[in-house]
Amino acid sequence: EDQVTQSPEALRLQEGESSSLNCSYTVSGLRGLFWYRQDPGKGPEFLFTLYSAGEEKEKERLKATLTKKESFLHITAPKPEDSATYLCAVQGPSGGYQKVTFGIGTKLQVIP
Amino acid sequence: GAVVSQHPSWVICKSGTSVKIECRSLDFQATTMFWYRQFPKQSLMLMATSNEGSKATYEQGVEKDKFLINHASLTLSTLTVTSAHPEDSSFYICSAPGTSGRAPNFGPGTRLTVT
Repeated sequence: EDQVTQSPEALRLQEGESSSLNCSYTVSGLRGLFWYRQDPGKGPEFLFTLYSAGEEKEKERLKATLTKKESFLHITAPKPEDSATYLCAVQGPSGGYQKVTFGIGTKLQVIP
Repeated sequence: GAVVSQHPSWVICKSGTSVKIECRSLDFQATTMFWYRQFPKQSLMLMATSNEGSKATYEQGVEKDKFLINHASLTLSTLTVTSAHPEDSSFYICSAPGTSGRAPNFGPGTRLTVT
């Protein structure tokens, strides 16, 4: 069974204080690892897809990296508007449909 | 990417009544849609896979007679919570699948509160 563990569960940063969120995963045959941002009361908003170890993706202050066992979401010089819950998810072999398994998320709060 | 909408965005109903939530794909035809449920401080949990023209596939532990799914067309899937109870209060989100390992796109979610 696919498993995703995210840490920390909550993170409080001062504006400008860089940090990293961790996503450890277990999947038999990774087809894709996804990062989403979720604001309160809203659906997840897609950020990145990573497919293979060593791959990196960047968008503004966010950078996602992938190894064979974990992924990191690096946040450089965060701003208050980066406050949200960041979700990691993996997609394994479809088995007939494309099932995605989510972690519990990291709730990020950036203090001005 | 695929745009997914949901209606209503929030609903309050009395215990014992039924509630229907709609999920629409706005810019593509979806033969498959997914329904998730998210309780406070918990992960998104897949409830079922909605299949156009055939029966939905439910995850283990999800009561198919309680959570009725209908995929009437290539752009509309509905989730009906029958005989709702307070423990069914949750955030329900639908998604369109990504193809070939691409990330799924999610709707805005529906907050259901059963009183």
